[in-house]
Amino acid sequence: KAGVTQTPRYLIKTRGQQVTLSCSPISGHRSVSWYQQTPGQGLQFLFEYFSETQRNKGNFPGRFSGRQFSNSRSEMNVSTLELGDSALYLCASSAAGTGAEKLFFGSGTQLSVL
Amino acid sequence: GESVGLHLPTLSVQEGDNSIINCAYSNSASDYFIWYKQESGKGPQFIIDIRSNMDKRQGQRVTVLLNKTVKHLSLQIAATQPGDSAVYFCAENPNFGNEKLTFGTGTRLTIIP
Repeated sequence: KAGVTQTPRYLIKTRGQQVTLSCSPISGHRSVSWYQQTPGQGLQFLFEYFSETQRNKGNFPGRFSGRQFSNSRSEMNVSTLELGDSALYLCASSAAGTGAEKLFFGSGTQLSVL
Repeated sequence: GESVGLHLPTLSVQEGDNSIINCAYSNSASDYFIWYKQESGKGPQFIIDIRSNMDKRQGQRVTVLLNKTVKHLSLQIAATQPGDSAVYFCAENPNFGNEKLTFGTGTRLTIIP
């Protein structure tokens, strides 16, 4: 069974640009959540989608958005990039999204904003 | 706000010895806890989980202990191997019914050959 797949693996953007990251969950998993990882702030929750609906959102500005498709694949978008958006963006999936089951992570997309 | 914290940022252990990584959490309503291992260049890898109705859970070479009285979580790794070198994170989910983990800051475990 394939794991969580994130593309692209690396991205370099400049300030003001926008970026879209993609995540394919484990087959059969319906919940997809996104996290931002930085050396200073650690792992922080961005948002979670279940059955194409956003169920939870973390404390990030509106420049961060996402969506989930009917096949459970998810994308997140960051508009008007800032230097502080440089981070590893991780996607995770779980089967039923109950909050009490294993959450599996992808390898992440390393975003560098110049 | 609620947070999950770690007592020690780094830990060095001799190969073959046991290691213990500690974690303090502050949300008494948290019902589910997970330990993750993250190696360089990779995403967090699930190690073991525990529900709040349990005190202890064992896996292969790993044991998680939960003390709800003092809101403390620990991960014990037996007979450490070089491949155990990584950053270990504890995480809690205080929101039963959806996925929203609060992560600790992480402990870097180094195995000395």
